[in-house]
Amino acid sequence: QQPVQSPQAVILREGEDAVINCSSSKALYSVHWYRQKHGEAPVFLMILLKGGEQKGHEKISASFNEKKQQSSLYLTASQLSYSGTYFCGTGRASNTGKLIFGQGTTLQVKP
Amino acid sequence: DAGVTQSPTHLIKTRGQHVTLRCSPISGHKSVSWYQQVLGQGPQFIFQYYEKEERGRGNFPDRFSARQFPNYSSELNVNALLLGDSALYLCASSLYGTGTYEQYFGPGTRLTVT
Repeated sequence: QQPVQSPQAVILREGEDAVINCSSSKALYSVHWYRQKHGEAPVFLMILLKGGEQKGHEKISASFNEKKQQSSLYLTASQLSYSGTYFCGTGRASNTGKLIFGQGTTLQVKP
Repeated sequence: DAGVTQSPTHLIKTRGQHVTLRCSPISGHKSVSWYQQVLGQGPQFIFQYYEKEERGRGNFPDRFSARQFPNYSSELNVNALLLGDSALYLCASSLYGTGTYEQYFGPGTRLTVT
């Protein structure tokens, strides 16, 4: 089942912070975050694993609450380059070649 | 190092035709996954191949098939095209097909069915 992302869209000014949430109704093994700009491929940002391990972007942080089956992506001191659509992809088994993606959160950062 | 490459970039086909999309993974990556992305939605999983074997299949009809070659490149085939098959087809590669590793996406093939 597809994870649910919130909010659907957010508009920020440069320097402001944003939080994007991803919730699943099923147990998660891993959460993968991507950013996609219009007409481009999704770009890998971060992966969070059950047990607390994280791999990813230095300037973006995220959390993974296994009990609540939720993940949040924290964008601090946003820059114009942060604009795009953010997707979370959830993996339910140790083999995460198969990711189930949410519907996306569109972030627009204005000067 | 080159990233994931896909060909062709764009494709226009007529209903009922067949199409083959190609993907070359990042050098050293052995797993390839295919996704379909309809405008305004997140990518939807179609297939995963690892070491030339199918390791996962999404909820797509049998008109969709794929394979992986000894050099780890992959092809996605779609038969009897329908208007609803119009989408961006993304290929993603990862180091291995078991365990949890980052998936890196290629630029995609934009398929339009008329």
